[in-house]
Amino acid sequence: AQKITQTQPGMFVQEKEAVTLDCTYDTSDPSYGLFWYKQPSSGEMIFLIYQGSYDQQNATEGRYSLNFQKARKSANLVISASQLGDSAMYFCAMREGFSSGGYQKVTFGTGTKLQVIP
Amino acid sequence: DTAVSQTPKYLVTQMGNDKSIKCEQNLGHDTMYWYKQDSKKFLKIMFSYNNKELIINETVPNRFSPKSPDKAHLNLHINSLELGDSAVYFCASSRGGSSKNIQYFGAGTRLSVL
Repeated sequence: AQKITQTQPGMFVQEKEAVTLDCTYDTSDPSYGLFWYKQPSSGEMIFLIYQGSYDQQNATEGRYSLNFQKARKSANLVISASQLGDSAMYFCAMREGFSSGGYQKVTFGTGTKLQVIP
Repeated sequence: DTAVSQTPKYLVTQMGNDKSIKCEQNLGHDTMYWYKQDSKKFLKIMFSYNNKELIINETVPNRFSPKSPDKAHLNLHINSLELGDSAVYFCASSRGGSSKNIQYFGAGTRLSVL
């Protein structure tokens, strides 16, 4: 089974509108972390936001917020007031507890390509 | 100053050659990683080192050999390059053992094998 599922290969949003990028995850580990990264056309991977499995509040970073629904195992990224510069690939990722040796591995989803329309 | 820097940014080479990609981080992290991103943008972990010790080694051909001379550097050497090795390779680093383990990435090295 896929550990991280992003069901939207591509999305469009009008500039200044909000957009939600979906992410569901699968783990039996009680301790895990969820991340979103942005990859613009220039290619670099930019960390956006983090949510821990024990965090009570949804994470927010500026215009980014993470809609964490633990029972549904979803961690959707909400971008408010979209800007042209938000056009990029967005990857959801999960860090599961501690693997053998005490170190964690991060698994990435397949990404969603977001295009912001003027 | 770039936090995680990789060189070169682009690498074009012939099949059968040997090449290296270098990575350095100045974030004071103790864990470093190599990822491969294929043409469909799928990002997969290859290796991870913590304090110069190999801790993650995914199913990667043994033509790929990582080397970590110190905890700020993790280089990737690839022997006998094949067409299927063409991809973007990302180096990343994190503070291993922390509860968040946020990984910070370099800009990537686009490898093209002809």
